[in-house]
Amino acid sequence: GNSVTQMEGPVTLSEEAFLTINCTYTATGYPSLFWYVQYPGEGLQLLLKATKADDKGSNKGFEATYRKETTSFHLEKGSVQVSDSAVYFCALSSTGTASKLTFGTGTRLQVTL
Amino acid sequence: ETGVTQTPRHLVMGMTNKKSLKCEQHLGHNAMYWYKQSAKKPLELMFVYSLEERVENNSVPSRFSPECPNSSHLFLHLHTLQPEDSALYLCASSQEAVLGQGTGNTIYFGEGSWLTVV
Repeated sequence: GNSVTQMEGPVTLSEEAFLTINCTYTATGYPSLFWYVQYPGEGLQLLLKATKADDKGSNKGFEATYRKETTSFHLEKGSVQVSDSAVYFCALSSTGTASKLTFGTGTRLQVTL
Repeated sequence: ETGVTQTPRHLVMGMTNKKSLKCEQHLGHNAMYWYKQSAKKPLELMFVYSLEERVENNSVPSRFSPECPNSSHLFLHLHTLQPEDSALYLCASSQEAVLGQGTGNTIYFGEGSWLTVV
């Protein structure tokens, strides 16, 4: 079956540091890949997505590239801000009847001044 | 502002109570979902409705009963829950191009309903 593995958190960084959150997946076929973000007390918001191999999703300074050869979709940001503190979820979609997401366990990011 | 609205945001219920969670999407989507988020666990897909028909039920206990009266509304009826059912319940929606062929379209989430069972 499908699965998503994310690096364990929490990740604690100083403001303006470089961020990488690793994500690898196992899936049949060619899934779409997503990063969602959850700010404290809120639901999930789509951060970025990529629908085919070598696609790069980007938003708000975050980027992730769909690497089929390594089955990875690592999230990166060159300079984090305190406002980026949140939980980040990697997910993949399975095809079939309606889109369904398989999530990783989430990685908590804490950015300090 | 979210296109998927959930009420109530917080709910405390006893194990013998009956309550319902409500979700409404304002995005014109044709598929709706219930997910459960528990501490230290991946989000779990509970139910999927596409064009108001339930198309997936991931072995969820019968004390959770979904209802989708139309494509904009989704309910989760709760009855005789257990303390381990305490979690954040997230509603979501998406627009599916063709019934029967999900293509990885973006799923939009509501802010969730925090449920505590005492």
